[in-house]
Amino acid sequence: GQQVMQIPQYQHVQEGEDFTTYCNSSTTLSNIQWYKQRPGGHPVFLIQLVKSGEVKKQKRLTFQFGEAKKNSSLHITATQTTDVGTYFCAAASFGNEKLTFGTGTRLTIIP
Amino acid sequence: NAGVTQTPKFRVLKTGQSMTLLCAQDMNHEYMYWYRQDPGMGLRLIHYSVGEGTTAKGEVPDGYNVSRLKKQNFLLGLESAAPSQTSVYFCASLETNTGELFFGEGSRLTVL
Repeated sequence: GQQVMQIPQYQHVQEGEDFTTYCNSSTTLSNIQWYKQRPGGHPVFLIQLVKSGEVKKQKRLTFQFGEAKKNSSLHITATQTTDVGTYFCAAASFGNEKLTFGTGTRLTIIP
Repeated sequence: NAGVTQTPKFRVLKTGQSMTLLCAQDMNHEYMYWYRQDPGMGLRLIHYSVGEGTTAKGEVPDGYNVSRLKKQNFLLGLESAAPSQTSVYFCASLETNTGELFFGEGSRLTVL
């Protein structure tokens, strides 16, 4: 089956520092999604990337999809305490019928 | 608009007992999914459905059964619970236009 690796597993940063999580697939993806899960909460959709080399921004968040459509990254600039949570990538195959989730990166902020 | 609702939110079972988790969505979505979440493992797909009356196996289907008798409901059953099924279970439905998965709030199951 499709393998989706996500690194790092944990990241502790000082408030105001940047944060990046990476997602790598063993196969070419049709698209990739990113979700955020706050502690004790449920995953919430952030964005979907479809095109090779695509870059999308949401305020302090920048999402990239690799040229080969096998990897993706999420970068947060100047982290804030509200960014705390676990960030998951989710890789889609064959019309989004099934999504394979990465293992997630848990972000904690040191005030 | 309730979105995706899961019941119950918490349950404690003894080994060998059976139970059913109910997922209901009011967004008229065709696709629905059951995931389990364990520490360090991310979200793993148990079963899914692409429409009323259909079900399919996901990544970790053993020990679970599902039914989709009505479009808005997707049931996850454990016939004989095992401690390895202690987990947080999430139901989700898919908005096909955007590809967005809408998740329920989760059901925390403990099997003793």
